[in-house]
Amino acid sequence: DIQMTQSPSSLSASVGDRVTITCRASQSISSYLNWYQQKPGKAPKVLIYAASTLQSGVPSRFSGSGSGTDFTLTISSLQPEDFATYFCQQTHLTPRTFGQGTRLEIK
Amino acid sequence: QVHLQESGPGLVKPSETLSLTCTFSGDSINYYYWSWIRQPPGMGLEWIGYVHHSGSTTYNPSLKSRVTISLETSKSQFSLQLTSVTAADTAVYYCSRERYCGGYCRHFDYWGQGALVTVSS
Repeated sequence: DIQMTQSPSSLSASVGDRVTITCRASQSISSYLNWYQQKPGKAPKVLIYAASTLQSGVPSRFSGSGSGTDFTLTISSLQPEDFATYFCQQTHLTPRTFGQGTRLEIK
Repeated sequence: QVHLQESGPGLVKPSETLSLTCTFSGDSINYYYWSWIRQPPGMGLEWIGYVHHSGSTTYNPSLKSRVTISLETSKSQFSLQLTSVTAADTAVYYCSRERYCGGYCRHFDYWGQGALVTVSS
């Protein structure tokens, strides 16, 4: 299985901050990397797919980059509704695997 | 608008079989993979497996011996069966659609709201 490792596991930040979350794959996954946002009691929602493509309807303050084994999700200016848990996921191979999640909290 | 909805018992006894159904609407079944994913309380996401619109299946090796996913096209449903459950199978179970749109585009674009299944006697 491809292991996905996110860092940090948790992060405290303030409204307006720029935040970066990283995700590392245990082997090359090319650009088969997706980012999801999950709020308590809700299903995950896709933000970015194919490493850097913004899902329709997602605010442009979210962006993704990377290829191979190292990827980042950046939120350029945090808004109150962005405090949530973020997961990366690879769809290069089965089994599909997710990172352990990064919990973004209000400072 | 695509909509997925999980249904099934919320409580299952140890050693018995967990059965869930996902009903989808708003789009064709064709050209997609239909997945089950689970999330134990307070933990991360685990992909269980998927069924292609052709009926072919792929399962997570960690669960493969206990899992069956099947598709009932006429009812716009797909289902999950997980046998010989233990407390470790307690989780929120999500159904989801995996979209392939060319190039590196493969992602879960629609999810059900999730169904909590507790394994307890």
